Amino acid sequence: NAGVTQTPKFQVLKTGQSMTLQCAQDMNHEYMSWYRQDPGMGLRLIHYSVGAGITDQGEVPNGYNVSRSTTEDFPLRLLSAAPSQTSVYFCASSFSVARRNTGELFFGEGSRLTVL
Amino acid sequence: GQQLNQSPQSMFIQEGEDVSMNCTSSSIFNTWLWYKQDPGEGPVLLIALYKAGELTSNGRLTAQFGITRKDSFLNISASIPSDVGIYFCAGRINSGYALNFGKGTSLLVTP
Repeated sequence: NAGVTQTPKFQVLKTGQSMTLQCAQDMNHEYMSWYRQDPGMGLRLIHYSVGAGITDQGEVPNGYNVSRSTTEDFPLRLLSAAPSQTSVYFCASSFSVARRNTGELFFGEGSRLTVL
Repeated sequence: GQQLNQSPQSMFIQEGEDVSMNCTSSSIFNTWLWYKQDPGEGPVLLIALYKAGELTSNGRLTAQFGITRKDSFLNISASIPSDVGIYFCAGRINSGYALNFGKGTSLLVTP
């Protein structure tokens, strides 16, 4: 059972560089989301998607783009990295509200990003 | 999102002690969830609560959904070293997707 798979696990960028964090899930979940975790701040929602072709902003969307072309994949793009985006990023997924949504999110192992 | 106040921020205890942490909000939630995050891993669900007053156990863990629907607590009995990690509460206001997370309680257990 792969569950939610994130790549890369670690990445160092220079200010202004762009990159994409990949997220894939094999549980046929409709809902996918990206969180960032910073010390003392808990988990903050960046973007989410309720299905292929549908995305929406969360609490801290600035500086990030997402797309959802398939049910399985939900990449997070940083167009011009800034030091403030140094964080640990988690992708999480769940079933839709219409189908067994208990509120439980399944998280990936995280991607640790450092922006110099 | 709605702010969840989770306390304590950190705990440093000896093996065998009981642990209690709680989460409060100014808003009413219809779902409370407790997650644990092991070092270097993503959070994993421990307990889910869906009714006011509900008390649910999972092994040495017990959680309750407050009667006012604005709070929840998690107890861990007879702690062991593998209980080390960050514990997050999360609440959901309606039947949608959005989960609001607390800032976490960092638990350290010494043998």
